[in-house]
Amino acid sequence: QSALAQPASVSGSPGQSVTISCTGTTNGIVNYRPISWYQQYPGKAPTLLIYEGSKRPSGVSNRFAASQSGNTASLTISGLQAEDEAEYFCCAYVETSLWVFGGGSKLTVL
Amino acid sequence: QAQLVQSGAELRGPGASVNISCKATGYDFTRNYIHWVRRAPGQGLEWMGTIDPSGAHESYAQKFRDRVSMTSDTITTTVYMELESLTSADMAVYFCARGGTNFYSNWFDSWGQGTLVIVSS
Repeated sequence: QSALAQPASVSGSPGQSVTISCTGTTNGIVNYRPISWYQQYPGKAPTLLIYEGSKRPSGVSNRFAASQSGNTASLTISGLQAEDEAEYFCCAYVETSLWVFGGGSKLTVL
Repeated sequence: QAQLVQSGAELRGPGASVNISCKATGYDFTRNYIHWVRRAPGQGLEWMGTIDPSGAHESYAQKFRDRVSMTSDTITTTVYMELESLTSADMAVYFCARGGTNFYSNWFDSWGQGTLVIVSS
């Protein structure tokens, strides 16, 4: 079981917004630790979507936004498009385990 | 821009070892940590370890600590990851990824294409 819990699946219709949560299963694991988020298509390498909790690398659409509050981080994808159908992972640095990934959330665009 | 190119797919028997290379181009090789992450079938991403390519420092996930080693060659700007004592549970796609310039930086901003490792007798 990952130290970061994500919903296994989320879905939304084109144009809608969806939010994917990433919750620390150990108290404090997410607090004050900047989360990064990754998008992965089947058979492809992951790509960086968000770093330092809410920053987007150049080239990443502003439809992707992230925040952290308490022990939960969230990734919100607005204006859903078919191309957003992928798997999304959060990641945190933790002293005891170094880097850990959430279990991943498969996004289905209906 | 930064590019990481990995070696090709490998087939190994149980108990064998595998060595995967990751050649980095397009940036100052010694400035950024390189991490290794794997994804087994039906599983999520799993962080394995990281290396400072200048050769000063490696850190490994506890799960792999006794059978993984990461090395770097600053001349060829290539990082290597060797995993020993393979079992079927090690069958996965292995990725190298560029981290930050600080050990604690939590981002991997450039990834290799992945190397499939098949473990089968």
